[in-house]
Amino acid sequence: AQTVTQSQPEMSVQEAETVTLSCTYDTSESDYYLFWYKQPPSRQMILVIRQEAYKQQNATENRFSVNFQKAAKSFSLKISDSQLGDAAMYFCAYRTPWGSGAGSYQLTFGKGTKLSVIP
Amino acid sequence: KAGVTQTPRYLIKTRGQQVTLSCSPISGHRSVSWYQQTPGQGLQFLFEYFSETQRNKGNFPGRFSGRQFSNSRSEMNVSTLELGDSALYLCASSSGLAGGGETQYFGPGTRLLVL
Repeated sequence: AQTVTQSQPEMSVQEAETVTLSCTYDTSESDYYLFWYKQPPSRQMILVIRQEAYKQQNATENRFSVNFQKAAKSFSLKISDSQLGDAAMYFCAYRTPWGSGAGSYQLTFGKGTKLSVIP
Repeated sequence: KAGVTQTPRYLIKTRGQQVTLSCSPISGHRSVSWYQQTPGQGLQFLFEYFSETQRNKGNFPGRFSGRQFSNSRSEMNVSTLELGDSALYLCASSSGLAGGGETQYFGPGTRLLVL
């Protein structure tokens, strides 16, 4: 079974600084997708960024970028120029395409990292 | 486009009762997935429906069931409620077509408290 591990339950960052959240996963699949979701206190899950496993280039969305190391099964999220609105729970998630086998298409989440932003 | 909506937002039930939660996906989306979020277990996949058919199911007891209607709206039912069923229930919609990289859009969730 696929597992996703986020080893940092809590992290803090000064406003305008950079922070990196860690995520590792375990899978025997070759075709899969990785996601970072943000869940602010309102509890609404919002997609931050996604990465296709077959793409070597790391995904970037404005201030958010990932460091995807497929061989190491590592998928970290870097937030640059941190803002107060970035404070939230961040979840790393994994998914295989529909039809790829048991557990396909469902999102498997890590336990999350609570990020605090210090003014 | 309107986002994913879930009703009700909050529910209080007692042990042994049953509950039905509703999820309306984004217009045009045919896949609806349900997740349970608790402090202890985190986010766990319940099941996914696509075009009125359950395509995938997580490791939850048979007390948890669901269905999807022809307009893609989905309902989740929990029978014989237990204290441990207290959780935030999230639904997510997507087109559900081939590929796993498409975005799943989440609703605001239904918070269920079982007393």
